[in-house]
Amino acid sequence: DAGVIQSPRHEVTEMGQEVTLRCKPISGHNSLFWYRQTMMRGLELLIYFNNNVPIDDSGMPEDRFSAKMPNASFSTLKIQPSEPRDSAVYFCASSLGWEFSPEAFFGQGTRLTVV
Amino acid sequence: GNSVTQMEGPVTLSEEAFLTINCTYTATGYPSLFWYVQYPGEGLQLLLKATKADDKGSNKGFEATYRKETTSFHLEKGSVQVSDSAVYFCAFNTNAGKSTFGDGTTLTVKP
Repeated sequence: DAGVIQSPRHEVTEMGQEVTLRCKPISGHNSLFWYRQTMMRGLELLIYFNNNVPIDDSGMPEDRFSAKMPNASFSTLKIQPSEPRDSAVYFCASSLGWEFSPEAFFGQGTRLTVV
Repeated sequence: GNSVTQMEGPVTLSEEAFLTINCTYTATGYPSLFWYVQYPGEGLQLLLKATKADDKGSNKGFEATYRKETTSFHLEKGSVQVSDSAVYFCAFNTNAGKSTFGDGTTLTVKP
């Protein structure tokens, strides 16, 4: 398997623009997580899905952020409108079966810069 | 609430030195414990894990033992290499499915 695939790897956008980050989890994994990593706040869980259903979105910073998982092989994280403070590395991760506390497999991340 | 406390960095060692990175956790239930490693420009990847008390996880010369009585999972390696330079994260999850991560410890190994 190719692992968790994220796109784009880098994104530079102007303040106010819409940004969409994409993630393809490992085939067969039924849990998907979106994280944000910054120097100031470290690794933060934004939202996670189980069987394509959002289970916990308490980490989503505000209404400008939204995430969807229309099917088992694809998820998006959208920021609209973007702000400079959204600049961070965004990671998607997937895991197999949330009942058994498995490890997470991370993608390589999307480095977002909002200018 | 759930939390992970790991040794603050950065940690700088000479090649072949002994490494310890301390990690303690606060969790409800009976968590599984993990160490992840992040190399520059990459995502986190699993280094080792332990799922029950007294289990020892090991990989690439790194080891950690699940100590339920002290709620700890300290990472050790007997002889570090320059290629071990990375950020190390301690984490746990419970059967709620969500992982809790520590703040990460940056390790730099000098030749």
